[in-house]
Amino acid sequence: AQSVAQPEDQVNVAEGNPLTVKCTYSVSGNPYLFWYVQYPNRGLQFLLKYITGDNLVKGSYGFEAEFNKSQTSFHLKKPSALVSDSALYFCAVRGGNTGKLIFGQGTTLQVKP
Amino acid sequence: DGGITQSPKYLFRKEGQNVTLSCEQNLNHDAMYWYRQDPGQGLRLIYYSQIVNDFQKGDIAEGYSVSREKKESFPLTVTSAQKNPTAFYLCASTRPNVRQTQHFGDGTRLSIL
Repeated sequence: AQSVAQPEDQVNVAEGNPLTVKCTYSVSGNPYLFWYVQYPNRGLQFLLKYITGDNLVKGSYGFEAEFNKSQTSFHLKKPSALVSDSALYFCAVRGGNTGKLIFGQGTTLQVKP
Repeated sequence: DGGITQSPKYLFRKEGQNVTLSCEQNLNHDAMYWYRQDPGQGLRLIYYSQIVNDFQKGDIAEGYSVSREKKESFPLTVTSAQKNPTAFYLCASTRPNVRQTQHFGDGTRLSIL
């Protein structure tokens, strides 16, 4: 069965420091991996995705993610965090050919000034 | 601008009452999805539709019903059989290719009176 795990409920970083939000996955076949961000009482906004090719994927707002097949991980990173990056982040993997996304439970990122 | 519109933003349900949440998209997407979001549980799939006049149950379909009479519209009815309906409901759509990104509406928050 396909699954996604985000091992940290919350990540705290100081503004200007690098940030990492962790994600591991389990999927049969080729993984299609996604990161979304959610601000309070809003829908999910797409940040980036890995389909194939380069293991380092660059996305919106300066975020990037590194696909590691041997560790089945897809961690989200940013070199310098902003207070405005504080939000809820979801990792997701696409299962089968239905387009269904399987989501992790989410990680709250808190960036302090 | 193209996008997904969910209405209303806030909805209250009385005991024994059915309520319908609206989801409309002008992205010309074939596939549409309904998710339920509860704190700390990520998103769970309720129903999805890959084409007009066809839909499938997701992981938590009990107590919910949908219809897909038009490509643009995928309304969700929360029936009185759903005993714990208080949640944030998100609608999404995508083109029918596993590499495509799901786009989300801004959600409807349903509460019990």
